[in-house]
Amino acid sequence: AAGVIQSPRHLIKEKRETATLKCYPIPRHDTVYWYQQGPGQDPQFLISFYEKMQSDKGSIPDRFSAQQFSDYHSELNMSSLELGDSALYFCASSLGLGGEAQYFGPGTRLLVL
Amino acid sequence: EDQVTQSPEALRLQEGESSSLNCSYTVSGLRGLFWYRQDPGKGPEFLFTLYSAGEEKEKERLKATLTKKESFLHITAPKPEDSATYLCAVRSTSGGSYIPTFGRGTSLIVHP
Repeated sequence: AAGVIQSPRHLIKEKRETATLKCYPIPRHDTVYWYQQGPGQDPQFLISFYEKMQSDKGSIPDRFSAQQFSDYHSELNMSSLELGDSALYFCASSLGLGGEAQYFGPGTRLLVL
Repeated sequence: EDQVTQSPEALRLQEGESSSLNCSYTVSGLRGLFWYRQDPGKGPEFLFTLYSAGEEKEKERLKATLTKKESFLHITAPKPEDSATYLCAVRSTSGGSYIPTFGRGTSLIVHP
């Protein structure tokens, strides 16, 4: 079965640079979520989109922005990167906003030097 | 505010030694409770969704159960490949948010 696709899988950036992470949800899924996970921590919710509109907003820094496109893929844009942004970034998708489970992608490991 | 507490934080078992992981939750109305397995450096892998008290789901050596206050993930005769962090999350009907609340997870190590 098709899963959530994330690219790139690994990314190394310098401080103050920008980065763009991409997420392709499971076919027919209309909701996308972005999470940040530091070492030994549970996933921290950043932002979500339902039918191309922002649905919920979590602890996403003002330096980050995201959107969902007409084909339901999503991009997380990160600017003025800081050392503390180094983490695993997961995208998850679901069918609708209700009681359906989220299916997570393999993640993008971002390292800011 | 929704709360999810998982216990124990860490669990070491011998291969074949059955045990249970606990997920206690506080929500005003449960929309769904989810169990995930996460291997280091990988995305959480969906295991089960439970919607109402008394519901049970099984998959291989894993069985998830749900009451009005907690869920258990029973692991029968575990194998070393069951070693992972197990995450519990709940979605509630309260407020306007559709975002699940995650617990901190239980780190399971199964020794051969």
